[in-house]
Amino acid sequence: EPEVTQTPSHQVTQMGQEVILRCVPISNHLYFYWYRQILGQKVEFLVSFYNNEISEKSEIFDDQFSVERPDGSNFTLKIRSTKLEDSAMYFCASSRQGEGSTEAFFGQGTRLTVV
Amino acid sequence: GDSVTQMEGPVTLSEEAFLTINCTYTATGYPSLFWYVQYPGEGLQLLLKATKADDKGSNKGFEATYRKETTSFHLEKGSVQVSDSAVYFCALRTRSGNTPLVFGKGTRLSVIA
Repeated sequence: EPEVTQTPSHQVTQMGQEVILRCVPISNHLYFYWYRQILGQKVEFLVSFYNNEISEKSEIFDDQFSVERPDGSNFTLKIRSTKLEDSAMYFCASSRQGEGSTEAFFGQGTRLTVV
Repeated sequence: GDSVTQMEGPVTLSEEAFLTINCTYTATGYPSLFWYVQYPGEGLQLLLKATKADDKGSNKGFEATYRKETTSFHLEKGSVQVSDSAVYFCALRTRSGNTPLVFGKGTRLSVIA
């Protein structure tokens, strides 16, 4: 069964460093998303991506963040100059283009710890 | 803005007990409603969904009915198993297409034998 895969499963980084979280969406999907969940809090939307550009982003997704689809398979989230409050579980998701309540398929998440 | 409120966990039940996880929402328009489940070490998986009022979503013995009058989408299962131990997330999506999901905080369920 096709699935969304994320690497690494856990990343520890020093405050101020840059991190890149990687995702391989399902191959025939066209919409890609990043969400995050700070420990004990809600899963929050960060950004959606379609046709090689950002289609929607939340207030959380400021200039510190960027996304890229560098080739035909990977979808990355870059966090420049990480802060302690960036520590969270980051989920990648993808979905087919379509009408109605299209299901989003999620990866297993990357736990980012900023120290 | 749109929001989802779930009952606080953790919820601990004995095997074969009845499960209810409450979920209420606030949204403009007519959202689609979802329950996602996260088993230990895995990603979020869609458990069930309902797209309009009075629709009932069901899967793996779980059910939830879209109640517009009470803005609720409570998750129920008549007889839980140890394998149902997971974190359950209620979510909504407003508008059609591929708009972002709005999640609740999640409810951890532990089922003991």
